[in-house]
Amino acid sequence: EVQLVESGGGLVQPGRSLRLSCAASGFTFDDYAMHWVRQAPGKGLEWVSGISWNSGSIGYADSVKGRFTISRDNAKNSLYLQMNSLRAEDTALYYCAKDIMDDFWSIPGGFDYWGQGTLVTVSS
Amino acid sequence: DIQLTQSPSFLSASVGDRVTITCRASQGISSYLAWYQQKPGKAPKLLIYAASTLQSGVPSRFSGSGSGTEFTLTISSLQPEDFATYYCQQLNSYLTLTFGGGTKVEIK
Repeated sequence: EVQLVESGGGLVQPGRSLRLSCAASGFTFDDYAMHWVRQAPGKGLEWVSGISWNSGSIGYADSVKGRFTISRDNAKNSLYLQMNSLRAEDTALYYCAKDIMDDFWSIPGGFDYWGQGTLVTVSS
Repeated sequence: DIQLTQSPSFLSASVGDRVTITCRASQGISSYLAWYQQKPGKAPKLLIYAASTLQSGVPSRFSGSGSGTEFTLTISSLQPEDFATYYCQQLNSYLTLTFGGGTKVEIK
C-alpha cells in the first residue's frame, strides 16, 4: 500500500524557516517524480514545487521561488521542502504528492497518491 | 506562466444529471492536462490524466476530452458521491505546473 506521511508543520513567525518532510513507502520511490502542493484555508490547490526521480529537474511556483528548496533522498525514501523567509501568505496545508511519471513537465503526468498534509501557520 | 481558467466556478446539479466542466489554458498545452476531485477535509484524487485517460479505479461515468487550450471533464450521470470540488492541472509549462481555480459541484 502506498503511503505518504508528511511532518514538520507548525506555527512559525514571519521571516523564520521550517523544513517539511515526507516519508514514502509502498512503491519504488526513485522511479517517480514527487511534488509539494499547498492549500490555504478555504482556497484552491497551489502547486509549490516538483522534483524528478533523479533530482535532474526541479521547479518552483513563482510565489516561492528563491525562498523554498525541494530535495529528495532516494536512499531514505524521503522528500523534503526547506522553507525560508516565511510569510503570512504561506499559511496552508502542505501536501506531498507522488507523480505517475519519473519527470514532471511537458509530459502526460498527474499526481496519483497524496499524503494527508501538514499544516503550516505563519503568524506572529 | 500558463494560467488555467475553469468554468463554471460553482455548479448546482441533481443526481442523474450530465455535468460538464471546462478548463481553458492561456496558451497551448498539448494534452498535458489532469483532472482531480477533492472532497472536504480530504486530499485530492486523480481522475483523468493526459486529458482523456481514466485513472485506474475511477468510474467510467467520468471522461475527459480536449487538447491545446480547451478541455472538458464530463460526468455522464452524477452520483451522490460526486458532489465535490474539481480541479484541472497543466503539466506542459517548463518546470512550472499550475492548477485551475476549481469548480464546486453541489446538490440542487
